[in-house]
Amino acid sequence: AQTVTQSQPEMSVQEAETVTLSCTYDTSESDYYLFWYKQPPSRQMILVIRQEAYKQQNATENRFSVNFQKAAKSFSLKISDSQLGDAAMYFCAYTFRSDMRFGAGTRLTVKP
Amino acid sequence: GAVVSQHPSRVICKSGTSVKIECRSLDFQATTMFWYRQFPKQSLMLMATSNEGSKATYEQGVEKDKFLINHASLTLSTLTVTSAHPEDSSFYICSARVTRNQPQHFGDGTRLSIL
Repeated sequence: AQTVTQSQPEMSVQEAETVTLSCTYDTSESDYYLFWYKQPPSRQMILVIRQEAYKQQNATENRFSVNFQKAAKSFSLKISDSQLGDAAMYFCAYTFRSDMRFGAGTRLTVKP
Repeated sequence: GAVVSQHPSRVICKSGTSVKIECRSLDFQATTMFWYRQFPKQSLMLMATSNEGSKATYEQGVEKDKFLINHASLTLSTLTVTSAHPEDSSFYICSARVTRNQPQHFGDGTRLSIL
């Protein structure tokens, strides 16, 4: 079974600083997709960034970038120049063929 | 683009009532829709996966007779919580996807409270 592990229940970052959220996953597949979703207090799920496993290049989306290490099955999210609006729960997710599996989440606090 | 509308956003009803939640993809056709349940301060738990025109696939431990899912068209899926009880109170979120290599797009969720 595929599992997604986020080992950091909570993280804190100073405004304008950089923070990295960790995610590891377990799979025997080679062609899959990875995502980071953000869930603010409104509880809306917002897609932050996606990565195709067959692509070696790390995905970037403005201030958000990932460090995808396929052999290590690691998929960390780096948030640069953190803003107050980045405060939220962040979920790492894995999908192969059909459903999506989520990690337990990391609550990010941004200090002004 | 890729907007998913979920309705209602909040439901409060008495025990024994059946509640229907709708999930619509507004600007794309969703071959697959998903229903999740989220307890406070926890992650999303997949309840079932539904493909248009076929029966939903339920995750282990989810009662299919309690949580009825219908995916009658490429833009609409419904979740009916039958004879709801206080333990069914939770936050329910739907999502929709075109193909497996595309991300899931989520509705805004429904907060269900059973008195």
